[in-house]
Amino acid sequence: QSVLTQPPSVSAAPGQKVTISCSGSSSNIGNNYVSWYQQLPGTAPKLLIYDNNKRPSGIPDRFSGSKSGTSATLGITGLQTGDEADYYCGTWDSSLSAHVVFGGGTKLTVL
Amino acid sequence: EVQLLESGGGLVQPGGSLRLSCAASGFTFSSYAMSWVRQAPGKGLEWVSAISGSGGSTYYADSVKGRFTISRDNSKNTLYLQMNSLRAEDTAVYYCASFLWIGGTMDVWGKGTTVTVSS
Repeated sequence: QSVLTQPPSVSAAPGQKVTISCSGSSSNIGNNYVSWYQQLPGTAPKLLIYDNNKRPSGIPDRFSGSKSGTSATLGITGLQTGDEADYYCGTWDSSLSAHVVFGGGTKLTVL
Repeated sequence: EVQLLESGGGLVQPGGSLRLSCAASGFTFSSYAMSWVRQAPGKGLEWVSAISGSGGSTYYADSVKGRFTISRDNSKNTLYLQMNSLRAEDTAVYYCASFLWIGGTMDVWGKGTTVTVSS
């Protein structure tokens, strides 16, 4: 059971838009920045979004992030077959001792 | 180009020990915090530990506290994870990553090294 809650899977057609939610609490998302990671099959994770809505160099603006209260959302527009991957949200959690927590991951299928 | 290369994984018996290494290049290693993240077979990501650039501050997940020790040698641009009292549930791919304290963000990731705990 992950501290952050994500839908197990989402799907959409090429060219369409999809959103992935990440729900937490005041001890994590509510008081910290959120990051998003993409893990293509058989590869290491890669940072997509940090500080809720900032993109590292090289990440296309098709990827966006937002946060409201204790939830965060990753948006992907203009879906491509190459976007098929697992997506994870992450942030600090200060409930007992400071540690980083992740969501359980969301499998994106581009139909 | 920033590169992180993990090594030291392998097969170890329950109760045994293993030391992972992560060689860094392409950036000023001592200026960056670093972290270890693991992924059990078919499962999601689990943060393991983080260490400040100087090595003076360390953080651990409850699941490994008291068994694992994170350290670094800035003269060798290398991050370590000493793993003792290993359990079957420690079986995973272990990734090292550069770490941004604000947001607890893993910035650049290595390709990972596989640890299997089994008799």
